[in-house]
Amino acid sequence: KAGVTQTPRYLIKTRGQQVTLSCSPISGHRSVSWYQQTPGQGLQFLFEYFSETQRNKGNFPGRFSGRQFSNSRSEMNVSTLELGDSALYLCASSLEERTTDTQYFGPGTRLTVL
Amino acid sequence: QQQVKQSPQSLIVQKGGISIINCAYENTAFDYFPWYQQFPGKGPALLIAIRPDVSEKKEGRFTISFNKSAKQFSLHIMDSQPGDSATYFCAASRLNQTGANNLFFGTGTRLTVIP
Repeated sequence: KAGVTQTPRYLIKTRGQQVTLSCSPISGHRSVSWYQQTPGQGLQFLFEYFSETQRNKGNFPGRFSGRQFSNSRSEMNVSTLELGDSALYLCASSLEERTTDTQYFGPGTRLTVL
Repeated sequence: QQQVKQSPQSLIVQKGGISIINCAYENTAFDYFPWYQQFPGKGPALLIAIRPDVSEKKEGRFTISFNKSAKQFSLHIMDSQPGDSATYFCAASRLNQTGANNLFFGTGTRLTVIP
C-alpha cells in the first residue's frame, strides 16, 4: 500500500505570493492533519480534517487554510507569504476517527520564501 | 507555550550503549504519548507509543517508561546502533470537544550513535 504522498516536494516562492500544497493520504484513510516544522519552533499542528470537515485548528493566522476533498485528498493554502513561513510542511493521515493512534506522515513539502 | 518539554537537545552515544531521552508535560488531560523517529529528508515515523494506564512498554530495543505522578515519560534505546542516528520527538495528545485530536510535539533530540 502506498504511503502518504505530498506534492510538490520543494517549492520556492517570494514574499506576498500564495502557495498551495497537496497531500494524498494512504488509501482508505479519512483523517488528514497538517503540521509545520521549523528549526526554531519544531513541529506545530496546523489543522486536521476528517470526512471533508475541519475538526481542529492550531494557533496559526488566517493566512493558513486548508480543505479536504471527497476522496480524502487534502490541500493547504498559505496566502500573502512571509519569510517566516519558510518551513517543512508535513501531512499525516490516519485510518481511525481518533487521529492520533495511527498517524502516518508523508515526506513533507519544503517551502522556501525569499 | 511548549506543552511538552524534551531533553536533551542532542545526544551522542557509543555503539552498544543506552540512549535515554526525557519528556515532561503539564496537561493531565493528555492520554496518549507516542515517540516519533525522523531521518533527514523524511517525515516522522511512529516508533512506539504508550497510554497512561501502563508504566512501561517495550518493543525490541525501544522502551517507554511512563511516570504518571511526575508527568514524565522517557525513551530508552538499548544497544544503540549507528542506524538509530536520527531525530526523536516525543508527543502527547488529548481528545478535544469536537472528537478530534492533535499532537503536541517536543522540540526533538538529535541522536548520534558513534561506531
